[in-house]
Amino acid sequence: AQTVTQSQPEMSVQEAETVTLSCTYDTSESDYYLFWYKQPPSRQMILVIRQEAYKQQNATENRFSVNFQKAAKSFSLKISDSQLGDAAMYFCAFPGGEKLVFGKGTKLTVNP
Amino acid sequence: KAGVTQTPRYLIKTRGQQVTLSCSPISGHRSVSWYQQTPGQGLQFLFEYFSETQRNKGNFPGRFSGRQFSNSRSEMNVSTLELGDSALYLCASSFVRSGANVLTFGAGSRLTVL
Repeated sequence: AQTVTQSQPEMSVQEAETVTLSCTYDTSESDYYLFWYKQPPSRQMILVIRQEAYKQQNATENRFSVNFQKAAKSFSLKISDSQLGDAAMYFCAFPGGEKLVFGKGTKLTVNP
Repeated sequence: KAGVTQTPRYLIKTRGQQVTLSCSPISGHRSVSWYQQTPGQGLQFLFEYFSETQRNKGNFPGRFSGRQFSNSRSEMNVSTLELGDSALYLCASSFVRSGANVLTFGAGSRLTVL
């Protein structure tokens, strides 16, 4: 069964600095997608970024980028120039069959 | 276009009661998935419906059930509520069933069981 592990329950970063959230997963599949979702306080979950496993190039969306290491089954999220609005729970997710398997999440605090 | 709409947003029930939650997906989306979110267990998959058929089910007791209508709207029902059912119930929709597909989530229905 696919598993997703986020080893950092909480992280904090100073505004304008960079922070990296970690995620590891386990799968026997060779072709798949990985996702990072963001859940702001009392607001709905939204997609931050998606990575296709067969692509060597790491995905980037504005200030958000991933460091995808397929052999190590690692999928970390880097947030550059952190903003107060980045404060949220961040979930790494991996498709397990036709459902998403989520990590436990990392609570990111952005300090002004 | 309108996002995923979940109703009610908040509700309080007592043990033994039952509850029905509703989810209206994005127009054109045919897949609706339900997740339970709790502080202790995180996000856990309940079930997925596609074209009115349950395609996948998580590891939850039979008290949890759902259905999907011809317009893709979905409902989930929890009978004989227990204290442990207190959670945020999230609905998500997507156009097709796929491991590559991005899910669009609703704001959730927060259930409190007393």
